[in-house]
Amino acid sequence: KQEVTQIPAALSVPEGENLVLNCSFTDSAIYNLQWFRQDPGKGLTSLLLIQSSQREQTSGRLNASLDKSSGRSTLYIAASQPGDSATYLCAVTGANSKLTFGKGITLSVRP
Amino acid sequence: KAGVTQTPRYLIKTRGQQVTLSCSPISGHRSVSWYQQTPGQGLQFLFEYFSETQRNKGNFPGRFSGRQFSNSRSEMNVSTLELGDSALYLCASSFSISGFFTDTQYFGPGTRLTVL
Repeated sequence: KQEVTQIPAALSVPEGENLVLNCSFTDSAIYNLQWFRQDPGKGLTSLLLIQSSQREQTSGRLNASLDKSSGRSTLYIAASQPGDSATYLCAVTGANSKLTFGKGITLSVRP
Repeated sequence: KAGVTQTPRYLIKTRGQQVTLSCSPISGHRSVSWYQQTPGQGLQFLFEYFSETQRNKGNFPGRFSGRQFSNSRSEMNVSTLELGDSALYLCASSFSISGFFTDTQYFGPGTRLTVL
């Protein structure tokens, strides 16, 4: 059974800092990995989708990497801003076509 | 382009009742999937529909069911509500023609269900 872990559960950083959010998964047989952002009481916004054949994806200040063999992904946020404060979730699509989410990392960027 | 819409946004029911939630996908999307989000279990996949057919389902009891209409709109039904069904229910749509979850998922704002 696929398990997705995101540690730590919460993170607080000062504005302007570059930061890395980690995601690990137990079964490396995945189709893709997605990073989402969730604001309080709202739905999810897709940030980046990495197919299993890719190593990384970039969008603006965000860069996500994928290492299937080690079961890890990282989301790099450059020059963090208070508007980046949200919960960040990663999710993997496994060989059984099921989508498994991590519990998320709640990020707070202090002005 | 309009995003994914869900109705109602908030719902309060009592134990034993049933509830129906609605989801309208982004125009042109034929895949709609449903998720349950709770503080304890996080986000869990319920089921996915594509072209009116259930293509995949998660590990939820038969009280949770869904359907999709010819215009891709989807409904989710929960019968005999239990206290533990209180959650945020999210739906997402995508193209996903070639396969399940191969494309970006676009989420709606969710329906907050409270069971008393």
